[in-house]
Amino acid sequence: KNQVEQSPQSLIILEGKNCTLQCNYTVSPFSNLRWYKQDTGRGPVSLTIMTFSENTKSNGRYTATLDADTKQSSLHITASQLSDSASYICVVSLRNTGGFKTIFGAGTRLFVKA
Amino acid sequence: EAGVTQFPSHSVIEKGQTVTLRCDPISGHDNLYWYRRVMGKEIKFLLHFVKESKQDESGMPNNRFLAERTGGTYSTLKVQPAELEDSGVYFCASSPSAAGGFYEQYFGPGTRLTVT
Repeated sequence: KNQVEQSPQSLIILEGKNCTLQCNYTVSPFSNLRWYKQDTGRGPVSLTIMTFSENTKSNGRYTATLDADTKQSSLHITASQLSDSASYICVVSLRNTGGFKTIFGAGTRLFVKA
Repeated sequence: EAGVTQFPSHSVIEKGQTVTLRCDPISGHDNLYWYRRVMGKEIKFLLHFVKESKQDESGMPNNRFLAERTGGTYSTLKVQPAELEDSGVYFCASSPSAAGGFYEQYFGPGTRLTVT
C-alpha cells in the first residue's frame, strides 16, 4: 500500500534553534518527493523537490535529504524563526500508467516560540 | 503573476443542499488538480484535468461529486447532495506541462466546506 508517514506529529521549539522533521514512505514506483509548508488558512507552498538521484536539496534555511534505499526523507530547518510556525507536509509522487499520483503525509505541525 | 484562486473561501450548507466550488488556475497551466483534506486527515487527491479532459478521477469519492473544466480554463467542483462527511478543505492546484511529466504544483488557498 502506498503510504507516507511523518514524524513527529507536532513539535515546539524556541526561536533560533534547529529542528529536523522526518518522512518515511512506501510508495512505488517512486517519482519524486516534495516538502511543502502550509501556513494556517493557506494552501501548501513548495519548499523542495527531489528525484530518485538527488539526496539533498536546499532552499534557504530549509535543507531536505532523501535516502531512496531506505525510503526516508528529512527536512532540516536551521535557525528557526517565528514565521516558520506552520505545517510541513511530505508528498511523494509515483508514476503509473495514468500519469502521476501524489500521496500526502499528514504533516508535522511546527510551533516556534520566542 | 496571479496565483491559483478559489471561491468561495468558506461555505456553510445544510445536508442535502448543493454547493459549487470554483478554481481559477494560473494562466497557461494545462494541469488542474482537486484535493481534499477532511478533519484530522491528510490531503487526498480527487482528480486531475489536462486542459478540459479528465486525466485521472480515481480519487473522487462517489457520484455526488462532479468536476468540470469547460474550455480548459477554470474548474468547478459540485457536490450534490452534500453529506456531513463532505466537510473539509478543498484545495485546487495547477501546474504547467513539462517534458517527462515532472512539474511543480501551485496550490490555491482552499475552500473550507462545512456541512451541517
